[in-house]
Amino acid sequence: DAGVTQSPTHLIKTRGQQVTLRCSPKSGHDTVSWYQQALGQGPQFIFQYYEEEERQRGNFPDRFSGHQFPNYSSELNVNALLLGDSALYLCASSGDPIVGEQFFGPGTRLTVL
Amino acid sequence: GENVEQHPSTLSVQEGDSAVIKCTYSDSASNYFPWYKQELGKRPQLIIDIRSNVGEKKDQRIAVTLNKTAKHFSLHITETQPEDSAVYFCAAAAAGNKLTFGGGTRVLVKP
Repeated sequence: DAGVTQSPTHLIKTRGQQVTLRCSPKSGHDTVSWYQQALGQGPQFIFQYYEEEERQRGNFPDRFSGHQFPNYSSELNVNALLLGDSALYLCASSGDPIVGEQFFGPGTRLTVL
Repeated sequence: GENVEQHPSTLSVQEGDSAVIKCTYSDSASNYFPWYKQELGKRPQLIIDIRSNVGEKKDQRIAVTLNKTAKHFSLHITETQPEDSAVYFCAAAAAGNKLTFGGGTRVLVKP
């Protein structure tokens, strides 16, 4: 079992560009959540997907959008990138859509210049 | 929404001593409280968790306590070792799996 995987590992973009990050959940998990972790801070919840639908959303603008595929993998899209979007983007998967253990992927380090 | 406060922000202990990190939460609906350890440049790793129907949970050198009335929970690490050095995050969640994290505690275990 590979656990939660994410791609790419690192990404450099310029302001105004768009980016897509990808996540494959742990085998047997069907719930995927995305978090943004700025340097020196705790992760902040962006949104969560279950059964291919967005179930919950944190305080992030509409520039942040996502998708979940039938195989439970997920994408995070960010449009019109700002310098402040530079962060580590973490994906977490869970096998319980109510309240369960969440396991994190290694993250994608996004740098916006 | 939920707010989680974590203290202290940094903690330096001598190898073999105990370390205690404390968190408070605001939403009485929260019923799941995990703790994550994050080493530099790595993913957060779940080290222990507790649910609201339990007051204390232990796993070897790690223990977590929960006081629902006061809305606070704590992580206790006994017999600290250099490999315990990392950033530790507490988190809280109500139904639906949305984790709200504390600001983190940087723990340094001095040999």
